[in-house]
Amino acid sequence: NAGVTQTPKFQVLKTGQSMTLQCAQDMNHNSMYWYRQDPGMGLRLIYYSASEGTTDKGEVPNGYNVSRLNKREFSLRLESAAPSQTSVYFCASTQGDRGSGANVLTFGAGSRLTVL
Amino acid sequence: AQKITQTQPGMFVQEKEAVTLDCTYDTSDPSYGLFWYKQPSSGEMIFLIYQGSYDQQNATEGRYSLNFQKARKSANLVISASQLGDSAMYFCATRLSGGYNKLIFGAGTRLAVHP
Repeated sequence: NAGVTQTPKFQVLKTGQSMTLQCAQDMNHNSMYWYRQDPGMGLRLIYYSASEGTTDKGEVPNGYNVSRLNKREFSLRLESAAPSQTSVYFCASTQGDRGSGANVLTFGAGSRLTVL
Repeated sequence: AQKITQTQPGMFVQEKEAVTLDCTYDTSDPSYGLFWYKQPSSGEMIFLIYQGSYDQQNATEGRYSLNFQKARKSANLVISASQLGDSAMYFCATRLSGGYNKLIFGAGTRLAVHP
């Protein structure tokens, strides 16, 4: 089973360029998330999608947009990349859309983005 | 607002010894959960263990156990019989308010297991 698949794994951008990180899950999960990880910090939530057709902001949404294309796919777009967006990006998914029980998040392998 | 604090940036342990990784949390939610994830050098996030705030017993998963002390708002991860493959970053997390399984993470603890 593939689980959560992110593409690309690595990307280098110049300031001002745009790009889209793709994420797909094959576990029939309802909820999907985008996190970023910076050195010395834990993961921080950028955007999430509780269910197909809905998206909402997390802790650090500025400079990003998302699209929940269908139940499987959740993309993250940087319209005008900035050096502060250099980070490792993780997509995750989980079955439940309400916090109850474990509802463990399954993470993708991460996408390392460098903005010059 | 929820907050997770991991005060140990780095820890080391001798192989086959036990180690405790500290985690304190702050939440106003009456019902909450604590998660621990492992991130090896390859970068993926691996779920280890979960404790619900109303669970009567401390959670255990193989060599991992959670020392949950509600009054002290701590949820420390105990790894018994450490193995070289346990060398990794370890993150404690809890849910943000408002449901939808949004997690907030601590800064992590880097564990090095020495032979």
